[in-house]
Amino acid sequence: DAKTTQPPSMDCAEGRAANLPCNHSTISGNEYVYWYRQIHSQGPQYIIHGLKNNETNEMASLIITEDRKSSTLILPHATLRDTAVYYCIVPNAGGTSYGKLTFGQGTILTVHP
Amino acid sequence: DAGVTQSPTHLIKTRGQQVTLRCSPKSGHDTVSWYQQALGQGPQFIFQYYEEEERQRGNFPDRFSGHQFPNYSSELNVNALLLGDSALYLCASSLEVGSYEQYFGPGTRLTVT
Repeated sequence: DAKTTQPPSMDCAEGRAANLPCNHSTISGNEYVYWYRQIHSQGPQYIIHGLKNNETNEMASLIITEDRKSSTLILPHATLRDTAVYYCIVPNAGGTSYGKLTFGQGTILTVHP
Repeated sequence: DAGVTQSPTHLIKTRGQQVTLRCSPKSGHDTVSWYQQALGQGPQFIFQYYEEEERQRGNFPDRFSGHQFPNYSSELNVNALLLGDSALYLCASSLEVGSYEQYFGPGTRLTVT
C-alpha cells in the first residue's frame, strides 16, 4: 500500500470546518484514497473515497491535489459527535492487498464546544 | 436495513483456551473481512472470506482460522489463546470481494487472562 502521513492530532471548534490533511506522495496512478473514522469504542466507519476529482457526500468532502500526492478531508460543520480518529488509506489497487485495508495511526480529531 | 452485527460483545478467556467469534454481514453483502485492533493501535487485517473460501490473509499465525457459511455469515476461531490476543476483533462486510468500501461491526472485545 502507498504510505500515508497524517498529523497525530488536530482540534476544531464546533460549527467550524475541520480540514484533515493526508500526504501520500508514493501513490500510483490507479490507486484511490479512502477515508475512514473510528469513534471511541465503535468500529471504523467508511466516509468517502476518490481517485483524482473532488468528491462530496452527505458526510464530508474530499479534495485531492492535482498531482495526487496529498488530499484533505473536509467536515464542513464539525459537531461534537465528529470527535474520532480519522484514517487516510491508500490501498494497493489490484496488488497483493486486494480487499485488505491497512490502517495507520490516523489523526485524532477533537471537536471543542 | 440491519448493519453488521457481531457476537458476543465481550468475552473473557484463559490462556490456552479456544474462542469463536461470530459475524453477520450487512444485508446484501457477500464478503466478510476480520480485523484485530490492539489497544491504541489501528485495526490489522486478519483475513477475508468470499464464497465460503479464504481469499486474502494478513500476517497472522495458523491459530487464527475462519469460516463463512452459505448465508454469508462468518466465524473467527482462535486456538491456544495467548495474552497478546487480547484485543477488539472487528468484522467488516462489503458488496464485493476486493472492495475497500467496507462496513464494520461494533466489534468483540476479547480479554485473555
